[in-house]
Amino acid sequence: ILNVEQSPQSLHVQEGDSTNFTCSFPSSNFYALHWYRWETAKSPEALFVMTLNGDEKKKGRISATLNTKEGYSYLYIKGSQPEDSATYLCAYNNNDMRFGAGTRLTVKP
Amino acid sequence: DSGVTQTPKHLITATGQRVTLRCSPRSGDLSVYWYQQSLDQGLQFLIQYYNGEERAKGNILERFSAQQFPDLHSELNLSSLELGDSALYFCASSVSPGQGVEAFFGQGTRLTVV
Repeated sequence: ILNVEQSPQSLHVQEGDSTNFTCSFPSSNFYALHWYRWETAKSPEALFVMTLNGDEKKKGRISATLNTKEGYSYLYIKGSQPEDSATYLCAYNNNDMRFGAGTRLTVKP
Repeated sequence: DSGVTQTPKHLITATGQRVTLRCSPRSGDLSVYWYQQSLDQGLQFLIQYYNGEERAKGNILERFSAQQFPDLHSELNLSSLELGDSALYFCASSVSPGQGVEAFFGQGTRLTVV
């Protein structure tokens, strides 16, 4: 069974703060790493799919990096806004797609 | 709207009963994943299908089964239901089984076992 771990479990920041979370995954037989954003009462929405070591992806104020050799990915949010409040999930994609428990971000106005 | 349709949205049933959850993937998607989210738990991978064939199996109980039909819709069957089976069940679909292909989630079916 694959272990995908995310930290921290939850995070409270003030509006305007920049923040980052970590996703750790098995470094052997790597295929892809996904980041999803999951708002309460909605379904998870894809943010990034990353496949290559050293990959960096960016969408607005959110960016992600990938290190497949050491088995981790970081998600960064610059200048957090209240609408960024959500659970951020990463998923290790091999033959199937297994998710970490997520980081729950709360941005206070 | 992700294009993935799950029915029903809500289901309330009694212990010991059997239910079927349905998932219609996005047009053109051949792969379907099923996940269970229990209270305060993350998304637990249950099972994956690709073009009608089982591709990968996760923590799926023997009381649960699934299949993908020729028209690519999928059904998750839950039998001998227990209180602990109460959860949100998500289906996701993608063009192919993985390796960098984005998966899209349905809105989920909330199952309550009483």
